Amino acid sequence: NAGVTQTPKFRILKIGQSMTLQCTQDMNHNYMYWYRQDPGMGLKLIYYSVGAGITDKGEVPNGYNVSRSTTEDFPLRLELAAPSQTSVYFCASSYSHTDNEQFFGPGTRLTVL
Amino acid sequence: AQSVTQLGSHVSVSEGALVLLRCNYSSSVPPYLFWYVQYPNQGLQLLLKYTSAATLVKGINGFEAEFKKSETSFHLTKPSAHMSDAAEYFCAVSGGLTGGGNKLTFGTGTQLKVEL
Repeated sequence: NAGVTQTPKFRILKIGQSMTLQCTQDMNHNYMYWYRQDPGMGLKLIYYSVGAGITDKGEVPNGYNVSRSTTEDFPLRLELAAPSQTSVYFCASSYSHTDNEQFFGPGTRLTVL
Repeated sequence: AQSVTQLGSHVSVSEGALVLLRCNYSSSVPPYLFWYVQYPNQGLQLLLKYTSAATLVKGINGFEAEFKKSETSFHLTKPSAHMSDAAEYFCAVSGGLTGGGNKLTFGTGTQLKVEL
């Protein structure tokens, strides 16, 4: 099993550009999550999904969109990149919504200039 | 609402010394608690989790944590630090999300430095 994979690993965007961060998991997990990590701030939940076709907002959803057409994939879309979106983005998945052990991808480091 | 407080954003210990990383939680429901480790330029890896079974939880790499309800704490310990333990450690608490998915709320992290 590859677990949770994310692409790209690094990206530099100009203000106003758009991009999609890809996330795929091969563990057949229903639950998937997107976080952003900023220095000294821990991880903040952007969006989550409880299954294909079902998504919902987390703590910091503004400026982002998601979709979940399959169990495996959970892409995160930035429509109009802003410097405030410079961060490291992590995708995670979990099997159980009770103890909710989450498995994390390696992250995407995004810089918006 | 749930929250986690990690006391000390940076902790430095000597190799072979005790590691103690502090975590206090707030939760309106019986919590599930987690410790994750993040090595440089990597994702988070689960160290251990508490899910209302034994209050002393053993994890990977010789780490353990004790759930103390009276103190609302879940401190992480390791008897003898190794250089390879240098990383950032995150405590997290799990509670409910409407509609099903179970949200993890993370602390702000503790950077552990291990010195010779």
